Amino acid sequence: GAGVSQSPSNKVTEKGKDVELRCDPISGHTALYWYRQSLGQGLEFLIYFQGNSAPDKSGLPSDRFSAERTGGSVSTLTIQRTQQEDSAVYLCASSPVGGRNEQYFGPGTRLTVT
Amino acid sequence: QQQVKQSPQSLIVQKGGISIINCAYENTAFDYFPWYQQFPGKGPALLIAIRPDVSEKKEGRFTISFNKSAKQFSLHIMDSQPGDSATYFCAASYSGAGSYQLTFGKGTKLSVIP
Repeated sequence: GAGVSQSPSNKVTEKGKDVELRCDPISGHTALYWYRQSLGQGLEFLIYFQGNSAPDKSGLPSDRFSAERTGGSVSTLTIQRTQQEDSAVYLCASSPVGGRNEQYFGPGTRLTVT
Repeated sequence: QQQVKQSPQSLIVQKGGISIINCAYENTAFDYFPWYQQFPGKGPALLIAIRPDVSEKKEGRFTISFNKSAKQFSLHIMDSQPGDSATYFCAASYSGAGSYQLTFGKGTKLSVIP
C-alpha cells in the first residue's frame, strides 16, 4: 500500500517568511510524528499526535513552530518567521494501532531558508 | 545530553564482508531498539528492531545483538553488498506514558566496495 507522503519535497523560502509542510500518514495509522534532520543535530523529535489526545509538543524548538492534525489524518507543520537555522529536512512518520514504536517515515521536505 | 551514542561514524567494508555498527544508550527505561537505513534523498526505512527480553534477532542478512547489562546493542550485516551502502541509524524509545518518540544515534555511513 501507499506509504507516508509529504509535500512539498523541496521548499526554498526567504528569512522571515512563514512556511507550511504537509504530511499524509499511512491509511489507518493513528499515531503521527514530526522529526527534523539536520547535519549538526541529527534526527530530532518535534511533535507527536495520537488520535484525539492532546499532542506531545515537547520537541518543538521554539514558539515559531506549530502543528495540527485534522480529522485524525493529514498533518501540517507550520514554521513562522523562518530563520536560517530552520534549514533542515523535516520528516513525518506514522505508526499503526498497537505498534506505536514502529514508525514508518515519509521522504521528507527539504527546507532551505535564504 | 546524547542518550544514544553510535559508532563508527563511517565504515568501509569489502563486498561479502561483515559490517558491524555499535550503539550504547543511557536511559534504562528504553525498551524498543530499532535500526533504520537511509539512502540519500530518502526518508529512514525501518530495517529491524529488538526488545530487551531477547539477546539477538535475525532477519535475513541483518542481525541485532543486544546486551542489556552493558546497555549496548549492535547491527551486524552479513555478506555485505554494494546495495547496502547507506547511512544507518540506531534508535531507542520506551513504551511508558508518553509519545514513544525515537531518540536517534548520529548515524553511520556504510560504504561497501566491490
